[in-house]
Amino acid sequence: DAGITQSPRHKVTETGTPVTLRCHQTENHRYMYWYRQDPGHGLRLIHYSYGVKDTDKGEVSDGYSVSRSKTEDFLLTLESATSSQTSVYFCAILGRRTDQETQYFGPGTRLLVL
Amino acid sequence: SQQGEEDPQALSIQEGENATMNCSYKTSINNLQWYRQNSGRGLVHLILIRSNEREKHSGRLRVTLDTSKKSSSLLITASRAADTASYFCALRGAGSYQLTFGKGTKLSVIP
Repeated sequence: DAGITQSPRHKVTETGTPVTLRCHQTENHRYMYWYRQDPGHGLRLIHYSYGVKDTDKGEVSDGYSVSRSKTEDFLLTLESATSSQTSVYFCAILGRRTDQETQYFGPGTRLLVL
Repeated sequence: SQQGEEDPQALSIQEGENATMNCSYKTSINNLQWYRQNSGRGLVHLILIRSNEREKHSGRLRVTLDTSKKSSSLLITASRAADTASYFCALRGAGSYQLTFGKGTKLSVIP
């Protein structure tokens, strides 16, 4: 357990509304990631961060923005939610176990856009 | 794309049997990792194999990597019902801190 929490865990919203998902970590990890998981697609990287105020786009970044003003928090914002953004969203951090750097995942946020 | 592709997409076996799943990819990698996901949960890291390694073991898990064929396999020996989950391979490219995940193999272990 790398001390990763996500909030909210479940959310239902309407098309066109803004939505912000929060990822919080307690162990001062530098790298944080946001993924979405959809049936038939596996996990796809949306955005990632390599430090405070340092972020970059992933494979499916259109329609999403992120912010990281503190080491412990990485926010994912859907500026105007669409039904295609209905998905399960996972946050992850890059941590080290023994001599290996691996990603540790949060519990996920289920988002339904009506 | 650096996405790995798992095979088979789904696998059903009896408890006690061995389960083998494969991952193929197309580009150079720094390492390849396997993750497990139980239904409705986050992914859990299982094992990592570096590009200069050919085989690694962890408990009942055995991973092989053939960089010439750009493929990896995950073997779970003496499977248990609790091994029922989806298994994903993830690729890390050279100089990258990103992982690219495959679509997964859904394993069902029947008691």
